[in-house]
Amino acid sequence: AQSVTQPDIHITVSEGASLELRCNYSYGATPYLFWYVQSPGQGLQLLLKYFSGDTLVQGIKGFEAEFKRSQSSFNLRKPSVHWSDAAEYFCAASGDSWGKLQFGAGTQVVVTP
Amino acid sequence: DTGVSQDPRHKITKRGQNVTFRCDPISEHNRLYWYRQTLGQGPEFLTYFQNEAQLEKSRLLSDRFSAERPKGSFSTLEIQRTEQGDSAMYLCASSTGTGNQPQHFGDGTRLSIL
Repeated sequence: AQSVTQPDIHITVSEGASLELRCNYSYGATPYLFWYVQSPGQGLQLLLKYFSGDTLVQGIKGFEAEFKRSQSSFNLRKPSVHWSDAAEYFCAASGDSWGKLQFGAGTQVVVTP
Repeated sequence: DTGVSQDPRHKITKRGQNVTFRCDPISEHNRLYWYRQTLGQGPEFLTYFQNEAQLEKSRLLSDRFSAERPKGSFSTLEIQRTEQGDSAMYLCASSTGTGNQPQHFGDGTRLSIL
């Protein structure tokens, strides 16, 4: 069965430190991959997407993600976090042309002073 | 681009009542999706429209749920005879109809069943 796994439920990071969120997928073929961010009580905002080509993709708000086919991973990184980056982050994948998304369970990021 | 709009933002109702949510997608987005998100979980796919045609429904969408998209513009999601387990955030998203274009999400409708 197809799945998207985010191994870390909760991450605490100091402001200014680097951040890496993990995402693994299990699909028959490489799916389209996305990272979304959700602030409390709000919808999801797209950070970045990977369709093909360069395996290091740049997104908004200083985020980047690296696709590694050999590890079936699509990890999200930010070199220096800001207090405003505290939110929940979702990795998502789509394996068909209709765009139906399958989400991971999310990683809650807490930023400490 | 005014974004995806959902109404109402919050709905509180008694068990057994019917509720209807509305989603207005970004204009000219011909694809529209409904997802459900429970506390501490990622969104789960419910159903999908290409223009006015409902092309796929999840097994999560029991016969108490119905969705429409008349004229391929706004969409409604109705839940009949609500149950406690229906309490969730209902998210709508839209995208253009080519390939796997990113979906733009609304802020959701939070449903609470008393």
